[in-house]
Amino acid sequence: DAKTTQPNSMESNEEEPVHLPCNHSTISGTDYIHWYRQLPSQGPEYVIHGLTSNVNNRMASLAIAEDRKSSTLILHRATLRDAAVYYCILRDGSGNTPLVFGKGTRLSVIA
Amino acid sequence: DAGVIQSPRHEVTEMGQEVTLRCKPISGHNSLFWYRQTMMRGLELLIYFNNNVPIDDSGMPEDRFSAKMPNASFSTLKIQPSEPRDSAVYFCASSIYLAGGGTQYFGPGTRLTVL
Repeated sequence: DAKTTQPNSMESNEEEPVHLPCNHSTISGTDYIHWYRQLPSQGPEYVIHGLTSNVNNRMASLAIAEDRKSSTLILHRATLRDAAVYYCILRDGSGNTPLVFGKGTRLSVIA
Repeated sequence: DAGVIQSPRHEVTEMGQEVTLRCKPISGHNSLFWYRQTMMRGLELLIYFNNNVPIDDSGMPEDRFSAKMPNASFSTLKIQPSEPRDSAVYFCASSIYLAGGGTQYFGPGTRLTVL
């Protein structure tokens, strides 16, 4: 699986936007970019995913660079409940493959 | 839907004992994954099934670990004999295939402590 690189930690003030970066310079043409997060003492949960175009859902937005070598997860207004470890994961779109987790980014939200 | 159900939520056992972790996937999902999380190694895949058939068990640490999926609504992960280094949180996840990779839904995990 192609490797992703994320900052170890980030901090945000409550109700401000948060931009979580992810580098994936070795991404292949069939790799989708997935984001999961893990709240304290819980299992990971899906956030969003995309292939080439930017994506929006009720939780977040995903901005994908034109060359697809990087992406950014955007939380429009961080809340205390968004404090979690965020994982950027590449998955081949050809099958229902397992997730390969890196260390992710630990997001702290300050009230 | 109740989501992925795992039992027990916590298990404390002594070294050498047999441990069985259970998972009920979301109805209609055709893939099931077992992951383990430790501070040292993070989240790692142990084994996964598609349509009840094991596809990749290369993450299973050794012969002490075994997993079964006798039907679409139940899976077990067994450790026999257990060792202190098996202490971890074990997650089960299920998904249905979609283009781009189906969303995986995780259970709450089983926290295993081997004394």
